[in-house]
Parts: sequence; structure tokens; C-alpha cells
Amino acid sequence: SYVLTQAPSVSVAPGQTARLSCGGDLIGPNSVHWYQQRPGQAPVLIVYDDNDRPSGIPERFSGSISGNSATLTITRVEAGDEADYYCQVWDSSTDVVFGGGTKLTVL
Amino acid sequence: EVPLVESGGGLARPGGSLRLSCIASGGILSSAWMSWVRRTPGKGLEWVGRSQSDGVTTHYAAPVKGRFIISRDNSKNTLYLEMTSLKIEDTAVYYCATEIGGARYVAFDIWGLGTMVTVSS
Repeated sequence: SYVLTQAPSVSVAPGQTARLSCGGDLIGPNSVHWYQQRPGQAPVLIVYDDNDRPSGIPERFSGSISGNSATLTITRVEAGDEADYYCQVWDSSTDVVFGGGTKLTVL
Repeated sequence: EVPLVESGGGLARPGGSLRLSCIASGGILSSAWMSWVRRTPGKGLEWVGRSQSDGVTTHYAAPVKGRFIISRDNSKNTLYLEMTSLKIEDTAVYYCATEIGGARYVAFDIWGLGTMVTVSS
């Protein structure tokens, strides 16, 4: 089965920049999407189609692609950003795949 | 108003069955591909399966194929997940979600609040 690899955890101080990575062979030819899930809440789409943001998502959240790796960048990190973050792709052969998730801790 | 509301979760025995429902408001169900996604304690988010807007075409993830069936009744604005031959590893919070992207990609823009399924003897 197809795998998207994410670091299990990332820690960052308030006001700093967090960079969360997602790697996999199908990232290049397919769009990557990112979700934020706070404890006890439903996931929220924060970046779609590599680098677009749904309405209401702050500009502090951005996505980028380089080769077979995607990065979610969160600038000026706030305590409220502490959550699990998941990348996700769809491919006509593998269908929908989620990464294992990264737990962002704000120090 | 919450656009998507799941129900039907609960405790089931291994080998048992449950049917989850997802009621959609605003008429979004009839025109949308819909997916079920679960959050398991140890594995994070896992896609379960998806249904085309007319309910004819469905796709399933390998771990549930042959055991789970997605159906819908657009006249009742309701999506279903029929789960049979349940396993302990099916324990999770189950979410329904609407899809965006058309033919280019699949992403999930609206999520329900989730319903908890526990499979235990």
C-alpha cells in the first residue's frame, strides 16, 4: 500500500516558524492537502491543492512542494496551533491516502 | 447549523455489525462525492471509503473492503456506512466528509463531528 511519511512530532516556541514535512512518491504528480485536528475536534482542511487556503484559514498557514516532499509552514506559531497535522493525497490507482500525522507541540 | 451529523456509533462485539448514518443539511448530499474517514487511537486518520453523488459508484480501503458498504438516500439527505464482520481494529471515531476537487484531486472540506465505534468482547 502507498505510504505518506510524516515526522511523529515537532516542537516550536511561540512566535517561531514550524515546518511540517510529508514525503512520498506520489506527491509530485498529485495534489497535497493538509488538515489540522485539535484534541476532541473534527479535522479542518487548512491547505488544499498544494498551496491554496480555504476561506477563513489565516495566511500564517502555507503549503509548498519540492520533488516528492510537501511542507506545511506555520509562521508566528500560537498556542492555539497545537494540534495533529495530516497530509493527504488522492491518486486514481491508490485512492485516498493520509500521512501518519505530526503532533505539533507549542513550547 | 452543523452541515454534517453522524450517528449510530456504539459498542459492538467482534464479528458484529453496526450501521452509521450521516445526515447532511443544505442539500449538499445529492451533488457531492462523500467519504467516510476514521480516526483510530494508534494510527491517526484513515480513509474508509467514498460514494459518488448518485450512490452508484463506491470505493473502499483495503482493510474494510468486503466488510463495509457505503450507501445513501439523497431524498433523506443521509449517507450510510454498514459495517459487518467488525474487528477490534475497527475501533475508531468515524467521520463523514464532503469532497472537493472534481476530477483533479480529492480533498475533504466539510467534516461531521464524528461518532465513536468501539469493538470489544
